[in-house]
Amino acid sequence: DARVTQTPRHKVTEMGQEVTMRCQPILGHNTVFWYRQTMMQGLELLAYFRNRAPLDDSGMPKDRFSAEMPDATLATLKIQPSEPRDSAVYFCASGPTPDGTVNTEAFFGQGTRLTVV
Amino acid sequence: KQEVTQIPAALSVPEGENLVLNCSFTDSAIYNLQWFRQDPGKGLTSLLLIQSSQREQTSGRLNASLDKSSGRSTLYIAASQPGDSATYLCAVKGSGGYQKVTFGTGTKLQVIP
Repeated sequence: DARVTQTPRHKVTEMGQEVTMRCQPILGHNTVFWYRQTMMQGLELLAYFRNRAPLDDSGMPKDRFSAEMPDATLATLKIQPSEPRDSAVYFCASGPTPDGTVNTEAFFGQGTRLTVV
Repeated sequence: KQEVTQIPAALSVPEGENLVLNCSFTDSAIYNLQWFRQDPGKGLTSLLLIQSSQREQTSGRLNASLDKSSGRSTLYIAASQPGDSATYLCAVKGSGGYQKVTFGTGTKLQVIP
C-alpha cells in the first residue's frame, strides 16, 4: 500500500527552536510538494520539487524556512528559528512527473501538526 | 493568479439528503481538478480526479462534474450519511510551467443522523 509518510505527526516546540519535518514520497514519484494549512489561510503551497530540484519556493519565508531533497526518498522542511505564527499543519504530497500528456493525482501524507509556543 | 472559491463554507443536512458542493476557479487553463476529503486532524484523501478533457467522474455515491469554460466544478453526494461529515476541498492544477496546485478553502459538511 503505497503512501506518503510524514514524520513527526505532532511537534510542540518553543519559539526560537529549530524544527525539521520529514517526508518520504511514494517510491517512483518525481514531484514533491510542501503545503501549510491554517484555519485562516487554508492550504498554501510552500515549495515544489521535481526530480529533487526545487522549482518554486516562492511561497516560503526564505529567512527562516528551507526545503531540501537529500535523495529521492526523503524531503525535509526546516524552520529556524521557529515562531508562534508558524503553528500549522504541514503537508507533503507527491505525484508522478507530469510529462505534458499525463494528468496525475497528488497523494498527500497525514501531515505534521506543529505548535510553537 | 488562480483563485479557487468554494461555496458554501459550511453545510448541515439531514441524513439521506442529496447535496451539491460547488467549486469555482478564475483561470480556465487547468490540467485537472481534484476533490479531496479531510477529516478533523487528518490528512487529505483523494475522492475524484477530473482531467481537463473530461466533464465528469463518478465513484460510488459521488459524482464530480467539470465545466472548464465557466470555471466551475460540482461534487454531488447522493444519499448522504453521517460518515460523509468532513471538510471537502477542491484543488486545481494549472496547465502552465510547473503545474501549480491551488486549493479552495473548503466546505465543511455535517450530516445529521
